[in-house]
Amino acid sequence: KAGVTQTPRYLIKTRGQQVTLSCSPISGHRSVSWYQQTPGQGLQFLFEYFSETQRNKGNFPGRFSGRQFSNSRSEMNVSTLELGDSALYLCASSHGTGNTGELFFGEGSRLTVL
Amino acid sequence: ELKVEQNPLFLSMQEGKNYTIYCNYSTTSDRLYWYRQDPGKSLESLFVLLSNGAVKQEGRLMASLDTKARLSTLHITAAVHDLSATYFCAVARGYNTDKLIFGTGTRLQVFP
Repeated sequence: KAGVTQTPRYLIKTRGQQVTLSCSPISGHRSVSWYQQTPGQGLQFLFEYFSETQRNKGNFPGRFSGRQFSNSRSEMNVSTLELGDSALYLCASSHGTGNTGELFFGEGSRLTVL
Repeated sequence: ELKVEQNPLFLSMQEGKNYTIYCNYSTTSDRLYWYRQDPGKSLESLFVLLSNGAVKQEGRLMASLDTKARLSTLHITAAVHDLSATYFCAVARGYNTDKLIFGTGTRLQVFP
């Protein structure tokens, strides 16, 4: 059974550019959530999607956005990149319903902003 | 606002010794997770604890949950070098949500 797949794994951008990260959940999982990990702030929740609808959103500026497609794949976009956006972006998937769920994380996309 | 605190932040321990990592959270929760992260890697799911008194064990790791005290512990028995990693606890509130609030993490180093 394939795990959560994130692409690209590594990328380097410059300030002001934008970036799109992709996440393919485990087959059958309908919920995808995104987290940002930095040495200073730790692991922070960005947003989650279930059946193409944003279900929750963290405290990040509007430059951070996401969407989910009908096949449950998700993308997140960061516009007008800042140096502080350098981080490991982790995607997680689950069945998304009920109160039993394990949450499985992908390998992450490591973004460096120069 | 839900806050999650872990202690200690750093733990250096000798192989064969026992130790406990503590995870305190500020408000009621519905699920508590423990994850392991190796340097440069993703999060590996260790345990999901759902109810008061829940105890789960896998190898040398045992996790427990006391919802009344808002406390979870991760106990390490007879540590080995392979357990060296950073351990995170995370809490979720509410059903049908994957919004987790993570603790700061405990960096564990096991030496001979």
